[in-house]
Amino acid sequence: GNSVTQMEGPVTLSEEAFLTINCTYTATGYPSLFWYVQYPGEGLQLLLKATKADDKGSNKGFEATYRKETTSFHLEKGSVQVSDSAVYFCAYQGAQKLVFGQGTRLTINP
Amino acid sequence: NAGVTQTPKFRILKIGQSMTLQCTQDMNHNYMYWYRQDPGMGLKLIYYSVGAGITDKGEVPNGYNVSRSTTEDFPLRLELAAPSQTSVYFCASTGIANSYEQYFGPGTRLTVT
Repeated sequence: GNSVTQMEGPVTLSEEAFLTINCTYTATGYPSLFWYVQYPGEGLQLLLKATKADDKGSNKGFEATYRKETTSFHLEKGSVQVSDSAVYFCAYQGAQKLVFGQGTRLTINP
Repeated sequence: NAGVTQTPKFRILKIGQSMTLQCTQDMNHNYMYWYRQDPGMGLKLIYYSVGAGITDKGEVPNGYNVSRSTTEDFPLRLELAAPSQTSVYFCASTGIANSYEQYFGPGTRLTVT
């Protein structure tokens, strides 16, 4: 069935390290893809999105490219900061609702 | 725009009590959702609505009820609270016009003891 698989966490990095969080999906067609971020004690907020194949979403130094060949939408950032510590969720637009991955907890140490 | 608002922020219930979690959005979104998030876990969809008067079950609807009498409001009802319903509850909304990007409320932290 339709699903999203994310890289398992937790992920711990040092400040200024390079970040990749993998996300792959199984779905019919070419759904819109999203990365959401949840900071401690808060609700989810949209980080970036891509609505068609080969689109690149970007925000706050994060990027993700919609790869239809590999059905992937990996999240990357060149130099992470302590303030990036959060839980990150990959999602795609299914029939009338989003399908979320299980979330990846990221901790950045100074 | 206030976006998606939820009340209350925190609540402690005794087993068997009932309560309603309120959710309101002022973005004229047709679609609204209720999720629960258990500690260290992802989101699980409880119920959703594609418009006023229309609701449907998600992954984990047992023990909950919803109604959607207006576009703005989507309350979630717990009739007989159980410890397994201890969780953080998030309401979200979206519309076709914004590519289905969901806007989330701040959450309600519920403890059932």
